[in-house]
Amino acid sequence: DQQVKQNSPSLSVQEGRISILNCDYTNSMFDYFLWYKKYPAEGPTFLISISSIKDKNEDGRFTVFLNKSAKHLSLHIVPSQPGDSAVYFCAAFVSGTYKYIFGTGTRLKVLA
Amino acid sequence: GAVVSQHPSWVICKSGTSVKIECRSLDFQATTMFWYRQFPKQSLMLMATSNEGSKATYEQGVEKDKFLINHASLTLSTLTVTSAHPEDSSFYICSANRDRGQGSLAVDTQYFGPGTRLTVL
Repeated sequence: DQQVKQNSPSLSVQEGRISILNCDYTNSMFDYFLWYKKYPAEGPTFLISISSIKDKNEDGRFTVFLNKSAKHLSLHIVPSQPGDSAVYFCAAFVSGTYKYIFGTGTRLKVLA
Repeated sequence: GAVVSQHPSWVICKSGTSVKIECRSLDFQATTMFWYRQFPKQSLMLMATSNEGSKATYEQGVEKDKFLINHASLTLSTLTVTSAHPEDSSFYICSANRDRGQGSLAVDTQYFGPGTRLTVL
């Protein structure tokens, strides 16, 4: 049972435009969510996180939105840059357990 | 801050041999580290949680006698793939949670190493 889902395996966006990556989860106990960026043959790099007490968190070009009622979160990147091209994973966990559940990833390609 | 290293970055071995992978948190202490495995075009799958000073906790379906984990210190965890076979070929990634009271790093965030590509012939 896939508790964290990223239904779009890939996404292409023009440079300078907004990239929106989506993530859905099924476990209502999750209360902390993160986004990681990953290049091939490298470990994931932490981007941004959000706890369930918030519905938005912003860090520079990256904003994460959380809709608890819909069990949905999204990552907005604006403006998108070619260097943002990578695979993006969302992850969720229950505080105190530290057991991350990862989505299947979305490959973002930013076109110059 | 939040640098996690892995060694080696890649390894090729013969079937039946054992391979040890090291994971180090370079600038913070980590009582808890994690080992993941990633198959091509798939998500990261948690294999086990490594705890300094105690036995690792393995996820369902992961053979603890096959994948030996030793958390020797607050900055080092090792994963040994024993009697490796071609089906063990994969990308192994570790991560670490920083312990509380160590500066500005978020406590609930796992910081990942660069990964180790294992190929078993």
